[in-house]
Amino acid sequence: EPEVTQTPSHQVTQMGQEVILRCVPISNHLYFYWYRQILGQKVEFLVSFYNNEISEKSEIFDDQFSVERPDGSNFTLKIRSTKLEDSAMYFCASNPEAGPYEQYFGPGTRLTVT
Amino acid sequence: AQKVTQAQTEISVVEKEDVTLDCVYETRDTTYYLFWYKQPPSGELVFLIRRNSFDEQNEISGRYSWNFQKSTSSFNFTITASQVVDSAVYFCALAQYNQGGKLIFGQGTELSVKP
Repeated sequence: EPEVTQTPSHQVTQMGQEVILRCVPISNHLYFYWYRQILGQKVEFLVSFYNNEISEKSEIFDDQFSVERPDGSNFTLKIRSTKLEDSAMYFCASNPEAGPYEQYFGPGTRLTVT
Repeated sequence: AQKVTQAQTEISVVEKEDVTLDCVYETRDTTYYLFWYKQPPSGELVFLIRRNSFDEQNEISGRYSWNFQKSTSSFNFTITASQVVDSAVYFCALAQYNQGGKLIFGQGTELSVKP
């Protein structure tokens, strides 16, 4: 069964450093998402991406964040200058088409900022 | 504004007990979708069910059942004859029809099933 993959599974970085989290969505999917989950809290929407541009972003997704689909398979989330409060699990998800369909989630990347 | 409330933070039951996880949502839309996801200790999010706002029929899948009541804006989830493997955090989520599928999650309910 096709699945969403994410790398790395765990990333440790120092405050102020740039990080790139990588995702490979399911190949025929068209909508892509990033969510984050601070430890012990709920899953929060960050951004959705369709047709090579951002469809919607949340208040959390400020200028420190950016997303990109650099090729036909990868979907990346970049945090330019990490803060301690960016420590969280980051989930990538994809949909086969527009709309509230079942989102296929990746296993997540745990980001730890020290 | 859309909101999902899962008032039960933690529930602990003994194996074979039935357990119901509550979910209450708020939305002004007439068309919307509701979801349940399971997050086991390994951390991934596992899709369980999606219902649209026009389908109020209850659904049963094995030991799992869902009760959707529009009148009370609730979408509750019942596990019958719980098992230790059901121990996880369960999230209820809401999506609007015309917003590209963004999911709004509740706070989650941590279910612990003891042998």
